[in-house]
Amino acid sequence: AQKVTQAQTEISVVEKEDVTLDCVYETRDTTYYLFWYKQPPSGELVFLIRRNSFDEQNEISGRYSWNFQKSTSSFNFTITASQVVDSAVYFCALSEGTGANSKLTFGKGITLSVRP
Amino acid sequence: DAGITQSPRYKITETGRQVTLMCHQTWSHSYMFWYRQDLGHGLRLIYYSAAADITDKGEVPDGYVVSRSKTENFPLTLESATRSQTSVYFCASSEGGWSYNEQFFGPGTRLTVL
Repeated sequence: AQKVTQAQTEISVVEKEDVTLDCVYETRDTTYYLFWYKQPPSGELVFLIRRNSFDEQNEISGRYSWNFQKSTSSFNFTITASQVVDSAVYFCALSEGTGANSKLTFGKGITLSVRP
Repeated sequence: DAGITQSPRYKITETGRQVTLMCHQTWSHSYMFWYRQDLGHGLRLIYYSAAADITDKGEVPDGYVVSRSKTENFPLTLESATRSQTSVYFCASSEGGWSYNEQFFGPGTRLTVL
């Protein structure tokens, strides 16, 4: 069985603060993929990043960075110097295996509010 | 415009009625998916399709029917709508096997069943 836990349900920060969104996953597979999606108020989900289980390098994209640690089964997402436009629901997701029988399981999402 | 579209964007219906939600993608992606989003549950997979005429159940398929006669279309039908099917429905597509390909989502359909 696979499971994705996003323990934080809502986070509120003031603009320019740094914020970290936590994601913990459970899987028995050695091959799996982790994703982050953003859902802004408009409603459409936007793909942010994919990481495979064999690549533990952290990644930085502008103000966004991701910390993947297999030892703690975590794939955390940090926004540096947050902006109002970062306000959205953020989903972490896990996919096991490499075939069409694998599943993409989403966490319940974290609602981030960035106040001016 | 290229992309993935859903129609209608908003729908109100009554218990017992049949409702069909449409999904159309212009990328010729082989895989398509239907999810429902409910507060406290995140996104849950209803049905998916690996290609035209190939569909399979997801996590919460009961009460729903899908078909895929053409690669670009993947309609979702609620045969007899119930209040528990009030939700936001998202269609998605991906180029290949869904374990490593990101999924591209439509704008969603907000369905209310009275």
